[in-house]
Amino acid sequence: GAVVSQHPSWVICKSGTSVKIECRSLDFQATTMFWYRQFPKQSLMLMATSNEGSKATYEQGVEKDKFLINHASLTLSTLTVTSAHPEDSSFYICSASTGWSYEQYFGPGTRLTVT
Amino acid sequence: QQQVKQSPQSLIVQKGGISIINCAYENTAFDYFPWYQQFPGKGPALLIAIRPDVSEKKEGRFTISFNKSAKQFSLHIMDSQPGDSATYFCAAESGGAQKLVFGQGTRLTINP
Repeated sequence: GAVVSQHPSWVICKSGTSVKIECRSLDFQATTMFWYRQFPKQSLMLMATSNEGSKATYEQGVEKDKFLINHASLTLSTLTVTSAHPEDSSFYICSASTGWSYEQYFGPGTRLTVT
Repeated sequence: QQQVKQSPQSLIVQKGGISIINCAYENTAFDYFPWYQQFPGKGPALLIAIRPDVSEKKEGRFTISFNKSAKQFSLHIMDSQPGDSATYFCAAESGGAQKLVFGQGTRLTINP
């Protein structure tokens, strides 16, 4: 149980274009979803927290107009990287929680490369 | 005060040995301490977690030791196997914030 999927698993896009990453909780309802970014050989950095039906809460230094987060249902959250640039290339990981416990269940990650 | 400091940065252990990774925190509001295992190109997976009302938790070959007064906790991997080679992250969370604060990570290599 507690499976989280992400799609796509990897994506290459040209500079200036936008790319959408989906995060789904497959067997539970996720009241809260989190988006992280991880650069090579570094730790996970929380970008934003989203609750179903509410606006996402962004961490300090994360541009909310660049990283659009939508949490329209209890099983789906999307992260859209708008006007992507090479410095946005990274590993993006989502996680989800039921809100009943502290546990966060992580997705397999999406490798974004901006050329 | 929100930081979790993890050491060592990298660790090499012989097969069958004990791997020990340490973490320290400052925020006394933290009340949930999980450890995650991450393989290259994959998302982190929860290994084991502890709450501050117990000093030790064991699941199979993995044990968390927790020292509340010292604000430190550690992961012990007994009988380490080559398949345990991965990056390990400690983390901490306070229920009110509902946000995980991650340590810097430890790259563990188990030599056969």
